[in-house]
Amino acid sequence: AQKVTQAQTEISVVEKEDVTLDCVYETRDTTYYLFWYKQPPSGELVFLIRRNSFDEQNEISGRYSWNFQKSTSSFNFTITASQVVDSAVYFCALIAMDSSYKLIFGSGTRLLVRP
Amino acid sequence: GAVVSQHPSRVICKSGTSVKIECRSLDFQATTMFWYRQFPKKSLMLMATSNEGSKATYEQGVEKDKFLINHASLTLSTLTVTSAHPEDSSFYICSASGPTGGPNEQYFGPGTRLTVT
Repeated sequence: AQKVTQAQTEISVVEKEDVTLDCVYETRDTTYYLFWYKQPPSGELVFLIRRNSFDEQNEISGRYSWNFQKSTSSFNFTITASQVVDSAVYFCALIAMDSSYKLIFGSGTRLLVRP
Repeated sequence: GAVVSQHPSRVICKSGTSVKIECRSLDFQATTMFWYRQFPKKSLMLMATSNEGSKATYEQGVEKDKFLINHASLTLSTLTVTSAHPEDSSFYICSASGPTGGPNEQYFGPGTRLTVT
């Protein structure tokens, strides 16, 4: 079975602080994809990144960076110099390509960036 | 590219009535569409997978007679909530598999907020 755990339900930071959102996943499949989505108050899911299980390279996109470590089954997301506009719920998700082909979401982390 | 729309964005209906939600892929053909449900402050849960021209596959615990899904064309899937009750109030989000057709490439619609009074 597949599972995604986001242990941090809510994080509050002051603007310009760095913040890391944790994501731990479980799967027995060797081929899988990991995702991060942002859900602002409007509700629309905004795609941030997709990473496949064979690519452990970390990625940076502007103020966003992702750390994928298969050894610890983690795919953490860091926002550098956070801004108020980063306030949203962030979901980590997994799809296992050997078995279920279903996108499994974590419970989400609500990030509040205060001015 | 790869835009998915949903209509309506918000709907309020009375208990006992049926509501239809449309999900359209605007600039690509989607052989597979997915329907998710999200309760307030909760995560997204897959309800069903819809393939064009065939019956939808429902997840365990989802009543197929309650949530009717039709995927009549490569750009349109509909979810009909039949005989809606207040407990059906939720945020419904659809997604469509992109041009490559794989489930690992899903494009999400903006969601439909259903309130049943």
